[in-house]
Formats: sequence, C-alpha cells, structure tokens
Amino acid sequence: KAGVTQTPRYLIKTRGQQVTLSCSPISGHRSVSWYQQTPGQGLQFLFEYFSETQRNKGNFPGRFSGRQFSNSRSEMNVSTLELGDSALYLCASSLGGVSWTGSGIRSYEQYFGPGTRLTVT
Amino acid sequence: TQLLEQSPQFLSIQEGENLTVYCNSSSVFSSLQWYRQEPGEGPVLLVTVVTGGEVKKLKRLTFQFGDARKDSSLHITAAQPGDTGLYLCAGRTGGFKTIFGAGTRLFVKA
Repeated sequence: KAGVTQTPRYLIKTRGQQVTLSCSPISGHRSVSWYQQTPGQGLQFLFEYFSETQRNKGNFPGRFSGRQFSNSRSEMNVSTLELGDSALYLCASSLGGVSWTGSGIRSYEQYFGPGTRLTVT
Repeated sequence: TQLLEQSPQFLSIQEGENLTVYCNSSSVFSSLQWYRQEPGEGPVLLVTVVTGGEVKKLKRLTFQFGDARKDSSLHITAAQPGDTGLYLCAGRTGGFKTIFGAGTRLFVKA
C-alpha cells in the first residue's frame, strides 16, 4: 500500500507571495492533518480535515487555510507569505474514525508524509 | 491547554549504551504513539500503545504506557549509530486531536 505523498518536496517563495501544498493520503484514509515543524517550535498542528470538513483547527492566522477533496486528497494554502513561514510542512493521514478497546474509545494513529520544505526569502 | 512533556531534549551517548526517553502529561490519552524522524523527512511511526500498563517491544526498543495512560517511556538497549534521530511521542485524545512532545534528539556515537 502506498504511503502518504506530498508535493512539492521543496519550494522557495518570496515574501508576499502565496503557496499551495498538496497531500495524498494512504488509500482508504479519510482524515488528513497538517503540521508546521520548525527547529524552535517543534511540531505545531494547523488543521485536520475529515470527509471534506475541517474537524479541528490549531492556533494559526487566517492566512493558513486548507481544503479536502472527495477523494480525500488535501491542499494547504498560505497567503501573503512571511519569513517566519519558512518551515517543514507535514501532512499526516489517518483512518479518521474510532475503535473500541478494553480501555475505551481509541482514535486511529497518524502516518506522515515526507513533508514539503518551504523557504521564504 | 494539554501538554506532553518529553525528556531529555537532547542525548548524546556511545554505541552500546542504554537510554530511556520519557513523555509525561496531566491528560489521559486514548492511545500514544512514538515516532522517529530523520532530518528533512517526515516522522515514521514506530509503535502505538493503547492499554494502560501495556509494554511493546520492537527489537532493541521497549515502549511502555503508564497505568493511567498519562505517560509513556521508550527504552533503547545497546544503542547503535543507526538509532540516531529525533524521537517524538504523540498522545491521541478521544476528540481526534494529537498532542506532540517537543522531541528527544538522540545521537549515538560509534
């Protein structure tokens, strides 16, 4: 089974431009989450989409937006880029539902793509 | 705000030594994952623990989930240079949110 794919892998943009990143989840997975990773802040959650609807959202400005298509593929858009947006952007896919365990409800784990390295100059 | 505190932040050891990484929280998680990440790549899932007190082994790696499902540890026996990387713990809540620890950067010297 193919893993999570992200395109492009590397991107260089200038301040003020906008960028769109793409993520194709593992076949059968309906949830896609986006994260920003920087050396100083670690992994920070941007948002999660499940069945084309945003299910969770992190604390990022409105310049960061996303969407999910009917085939579960997702895109993330950043408008009016700032130098501080330089980061590794990671997409993670999950089945998205829950299962019952002996300890209660469990939500499925996430599998990450290789990331898109965005550099803003 | 839910937090997952991971320690130590950085570890540099000689090949053959043992080490333990800890993740602690005041929150209860429905499951907890451990990932390993290499520079410029995405985190790779190592294991998921679900049941309080659960212990899982993956070759030289031993993972434990606390009885109350608030903490976890990763123990590596006889570390090798190939174990070098960033180790991340991630707690999954029943509300589909994932809380990540800040990571432990491990460097194993030959």
